[in-house]
Amino acid sequence: NAGVTQTPKFQVLKTGQSMTLQCAQDMNHNSMYWYRQDPGMGLRLIYYSASEGTTDKGEVPNGYNVSRLNKREFSLRLESAAPSQTSVYFCASTGTGYRETQYFGPGTRLLVL
Amino acid sequence: AQTVTQSQPEMSVQEAETVTLSCTYDTSESNYYLFWYKQPPSRQMILVIRQEAYKQQNATENRFSVNFQKAAKSFSLKISDSQLGDTAMYFCAFMDGAQGGSEKLVFGKGTKLTVNP
Repeated sequence: NAGVTQTPKFQVLKTGQSMTLQCAQDMNHNSMYWYRQDPGMGLRLIYYSASEGTTDKGEVPNGYNVSRLNKREFSLRLESAAPSQTSVYFCASTGTGYRETQYFGPGTRLLVL
Repeated sequence: AQTVTQSQPEMSVQEAETVTLSCTYDTSESNYYLFWYKQPPSRQMILVIRQEAYKQQNATENRFSVNFQKAAKSFSLKISDSQLGDTAMYFCAFMDGAQGGSEKLVFGKGTKLTVNP
């Protein structure tokens, strides 16, 4: 099992450009999450999906949209990137056994110029 | 809303010694979970240890143990026999147990731990 995978690993955007961060898990998990990590701020929840077909806002949703394409995939879209969205983005998923344990992807480092 | 506070931005310890990282949290819930995650320079988030609030016994995982003080809302991590590979950022995290299927984590700002040879 690959666990949680994210693409791309690193991306540079210009202000105003759009892009989609991809996340997939092969553990048959129901819930998936997007976090951002900024220096000195820890991880903050952007959006989450408790099950296929549902999405909800987290703590910092402004400027982002998400799509739960199917049970495996949960994408994060920046429609018009801003320098304030420069960050490291993590996707995570939660299993059906120990529902409380989140498994994280390797992260995507995004730089917006 | 729940909050998690890690009051030590940076700490250092000598190899083979013991170090304790502090974490306090604020919640009005009685059913919740607490976690310590490790983030080495590779950026991968690795679960170190978890504690269920309803359990009085402190969790342990090999060299890692916690001191869970529910009344004081304190959840510290003790690392015994520190190793160079323990050098990392450590994040304390809280999860409300009554979220109806959406297990959202609230993270502290992290403690950067350096183990010196």
